Amino acid sequence: QVTLKESGPVLVKPTETLTLTCTVSGFSLSNARMGVSWIRQPPGKALEWLAHIFSNDEKSYSTSLKSRLTISKDTSKSQVVLTMTNMDPVDTATYYCARNRDGYNYKFDYWGQGTLVTVSS
Amino acid sequence: DIQMTQSPSTLSASVGDRVTITCRASQSISSWLAWYQQKPGKAPKLLIYDASSLESGVPSRFSGSGSGTEFTLTISSLQPDDFATYYCQQYNSYGTFGQGTKVEIK
Repeated sequence: QVTLKESGPVLVKPTETLTLTCTVSGFSLSNARMGVSWIRQPPGKALEWLAHIFSNDEKSYSTSLKSRLTISKDTSKSQVVLTMTNMDPVDTATYYCARNRDGYNYKFDYWGQGTLVTVSS
Repeated sequence: DIQMTQSPSTLSASVGDRVTITCRASQSISSWLAWYQQKPGKAPKLLIYDASSLESGVPSRFSGSGSGTEFTLTISSLQPDDFATYYCQQYNSYGTFGQGTKVEIK
């Protein structure tokens, strides 16, 4: 079955760079029309889409956060990695990775459990 | 960027009620809209895609409609398992979410 699992630090300091890894199973990151996005949710707040990577390695980013984000993938390891630079306390959130099964139509049919990242000195 | 606005923010309802949530886009998104259900501490679950297509395994009491800039999610007869927060999401241009609608027990 399809699963996604996020991993990374639970606590980062302001100005540090966050690196999160999404490990997927049950599908291949090289399958046509498949992609993976990162989405976050501050405590008690709404979901925010961050970045997406397609099977052909094409990438897209949130306009407001584009300068701070990098998404990449290692198909052989079934992993998608998100880095976010210059972390701030307002970046405290649960970070999810999610699968998109339909190319440029970002509808997310499988999600990871999420990982809570706290930004604090 | 496309903005998504949901109403109401909170909705109080009873089991068996018909519930409708509205989502408006700041510009036309055709039918490129999805609805998700999220329960506390859990990841969102896809309910509806392409504005009106029911995701596999989702009960038929959930339905979606609309196109262009105005969309609705309807729960025909609210069940105890349906008390949750619901989000719309456009995918005409990347993937913006609405601010959510919490459906609580009246």
